[in-house]
Amino acid sequence: EDKVVQSPLSLVVHEGDTVTLNCSYEVTNFRSLLWYKQEKKAPTFLFMLTSSGIEKKSGRLSSILDKKELFSILNITATQTGDSAVYLCAGATSGTYKYIFGTGTRLKVLA
Amino acid sequence: DAGVIQSPRHEVTEMGQEVTLRCKPISGHDYLFWYRQTMMRGLELLIYFNNNVPIDDSGMPEDRFSAKMPNASFSTLKIQPSEPRDSAVYFCASSLDGLLGNTEAFFGQGTRLTVV
Repeated sequence: EDKVVQSPLSLVVHEGDTVTLNCSYEVTNFRSLLWYKQEKKAPTFLFMLTSSGIEKKSGRLSSILDKKELFSILNITATQTGDSAVYLCAGATSGTYKYIFGTGTRLKVLA
Repeated sequence: DAGVIQSPRHEVTEMGQEVTLRCKPISGHDYLFWYRQTMMRGLELLIYFNNNVPIDDSGMPEDRFSAKMPNASFSTLKIQPSEPRDSAVYFCASSLDGLLGNTEAFFGQGTRLTVV
């Protein structure tokens, strides 16, 4: 059965800290891994990773994929209170085009 | 485009009643997904459609759940009869089949369902 596991489940840090969120996956016909940020409403897209070892960056956020070890990390540097959210990762399959989500990491950034 | 549009935003119903959730995907998107989100189980894929055709409904929990997509711009998820354990946030999402595989999924704002 396909599954995506995220760790830690929750994390509390102070503004300015750097955090690393982990995502491991076992997905049949894996095509790509996606990261989403969910505040109070709908998940919003952050990154899609399809190739190993190539870092994607957007401001203070960056992510990388390791297809050999079947995991990805999401880094957030110089965290701000606005980064408080649930971060979701999802494995996308080819052929069936499904997205399988992990249960998320709840990040709280304290001022 | 206004994004994925879901209605209603909130629904409170009594156990045993029929509930219909509605979704309008982003125009031109080939795939439509229905997810359910709870604290315990996270985001679970219920069913998804490609070009209005249901492809995989293995996530639909029971026969009480059904989904339709009569055209490219509209889908419904129906629960009949509803039960308290169906209380959750239901998300609809859509994506586009690109040259390198489909794009990221874009989510609607969700319908928060409470069955009392």
